[in-house]
Amino acid sequence: EAGVTQFPSHSVIEKGQTVTLRCDPISGHDNLYWYRRVMGKEIKFLLHFVKESKQDESGMPNNRFLAERTGGTYSTLKVQPAELEDSGVYFCASSPSLTYGYTFGSGTRLTVV
Amino acid sequence: KQEVTQIPAALSVPEGENLVLNCSFTDSAIYNLQWFRQDPGKGLTSLLLIQSSQREQTSGRLNASLDKSSGRSTLYIAASQPGDSATYLCAVMGNNNDMRFGAGTRLTVKP
Repeated sequence: EAGVTQFPSHSVIEKGQTVTLRCDPISGHDNLYWYRRVMGKEIKFLLHFVKESKQDESGMPNNRFLAERTGGTYSTLKVQPAELEDSGVYFCASSPSLTYGYTFGSGTRLTVV
Repeated sequence: KQEVTQIPAALSVPEGENLVLNCSFTDSAIYNLQWFRQDPGKGLTSLLLIQSSQREQTSGRLNASLDKSSGRSTLYIAASQPGDSATYLCAVMGNNNDMRFGAGTRLTVKP
């Protein structure tokens, strides 16, 4: 089966611009998660979708971040306007249920200059 | 709030050595624990998943143990190889379906 796919793999944008990251989970996985790793720090949870509903968005850093999962398939994470501290690697993961653990995508490396 | 700690932060060993990576967590009410590997510039690869009811899981040269009551897990790598060089991450999933990561252990295996 195809894995979790993330686009783009790399993105370099200027401060103040908008960037949209996309995640395609494994087909049939109702649970979709976004995480990010800022340079030198641990991976932190951003939010969790169950199908198209936001189950938990407690990790979203501020209102410049907007995640959507229309139709319960792929998800987008938009950062608007981007700030320097948003630089890092953004990971998406999907899971059919708790029992099976998570499958992660390769991540999107975001650099804000 | 669950906190996950990994020790050591970095480890360098000669090829062929057996080694142990440690992970500790503060809240023992977990659903499962997962070990991942991350290569530079790459995503996370799942290595082993241990359910809360299990004590250990094995895959090839890797063995992960879980002691939920003491909040500890170890990842044992036997006969290390240069290809094992990577960052190893421990992640704990709580009963409310949230996953918390440790900061990782950066492993270097020297030929």
